[in-house]
Amino acid sequence: GAVVSQHPSRVICKSGTSVKIECRSLDFQATTMFWYRQFPKQSLMLMATSNEGSKATYEQGVEKDKFLINHASLTLSTLTVTSAHPEDSSFYICSGLAGERNEQFFGPGTRLTVL
Amino acid sequence: GQNIDQPTEMTATEGAIVQINCTYQTSGFNGLFWYQQHAGEAPTFLSYNVLDGLEEKGRFSSFLSRSKGYSYLLLKELQMKDSASYLCAVLDSNYQLIWGAGTKLIIKP
Repeated sequence: GAVVSQHPSRVICKSGTSVKIECRSLDFQATTMFWYRQFPKQSLMLMATSNEGSKATYEQGVEKDKFLINHASLTLSTLTVTSAHPEDSSFYICSGLAGERNEQFFGPGTRLTVL
Repeated sequence: GQNIDQPTEMTATEGAIVQINCTYQTSGFNGLFWYQQHAGEAPTFLSYNVLDGLEEKGRFSSFLSRSKGYSYLLLKELQMKDSASYLCAVLDSNYQLIWGAGTKLIIKP
């Protein structure tokens, strides 16, 4: 299957700082990438849909000025959590669409801890 | 509204068989996925059904009935490593994935 990588896998930062998470499709081109957030013992929550070369579409309740998404190429999308707060601590997962069945291939996730 | 229902938690014995059900009500249907997610890890793809019937892949099988809005994931010869959450997700008419809350499967020796 298609491979998606994320970097970093784990990050700890101080409250008020910004954190950038990279999502790369390694062996396919992803016109569309998705960013999810998952809190402990909860299901995946879609944050935004990112299309290469255009603005991301954010889900209701997700602040676009706080969670900046840049999908500058067909293999890279970045999520920047600006002015992070402890309540932003979560598991952030990206995925890319590939294949005829529009299957989602997930990155390994990034665990963000904001102190 | 769009809705996907699956049991919150199930328990089964090592070596046994377990069936995890999923019912859905979505705006359109372009396929149903099952994913496995171990604690602290990203989901991994298990199966995809778009036509009615049973798809078998090793110890795992997935069934779909579009008329009933129903699917199940069948796990045979359970192993301890199968302890995980199993997520049901439907691709709607806009090709957006609608996720169920997941079923936590606990395997006991």
